[in-house]
Amino acid sequence: GAGVSQSPSNKVTEKGKDVELRCDPISGHTALYWYRQSLGQGLEFLIYFQGNSAPDKSGLPSDRFSAERTGGSVSTLTIQRTQQEDSAVYLCASSTRTGTNEQYFGPGTRLTVT
Amino acid sequence: AQTVTQSQPEMSVQEAETVTLSCTYDTSESDYYLFWYKQPPSRQMILVIRQEAYKQQNATENRFSVNFQKAAKSFSLKISDSQLGDAAMYFCAYRTPYSGNTPLVFGKGTRLSVIA
Repeated sequence: GAGVSQSPSNKVTEKGKDVELRCDPISGHTALYWYRQSLGQGLEFLIYFQGNSAPDKSGLPSDRFSAERTGGSVSTLTIQRTQQEDSAVYLCASSTRTGTNEQYFGPGTRLTVT
Repeated sequence: AQTVTQSQPEMSVQEAETVTLSCTYDTSESDYYLFWYKQPPSRQMILVIRQEAYKQQNATENRFSVNFQKAAKSFSLKISDSQLGDAAMYFCAYRTPYSGNTPLVFGKGTRLSVIA
């Protein structure tokens, strides 16, 4: 079946503009995660959604970052007033609630803020 | 908070040889999961191998195996008979198995080069 998809693949934006990054999880996966991968760094957790529960926003670096998940499926990560330090690859993952809850990753969106 | 440390930013191995990537972690939990992910230039994170902390037997997946030392909080990855396609970034990751789902905690990665 289809894996996790993300769009756009690459995004270049000017400092101060808002951007929206989209994630389509695997059908039926109840959990969805956003991670950020800055150059030379590992993946940093941003936010995750589990079913209809309130999302865990503990990893969001500032109030310029927000995310929503509509209908328990597609998620959008929004970054307002982008800064150069926001440049990174943003990865989305999804998982089921059963078993080892393996997380399946999308190909990521590379965001460049100029 | 849990942390994961990969002390080798870069490693290289000759094709067909064996290489070991190191990972240590810090946690006060007794039950958890450990993972190795591979990230090729395509950016797609691929799960290589997983280990449940309550299992003493080291996990093995074909040419990939781990050396899990729970007391030492060490989780190294051994790649045997290295192939050119193994060249990638490798990330060690930790997750607490609360009911439901929890995010992964990643190390900073090791870039593996395979020399023909």
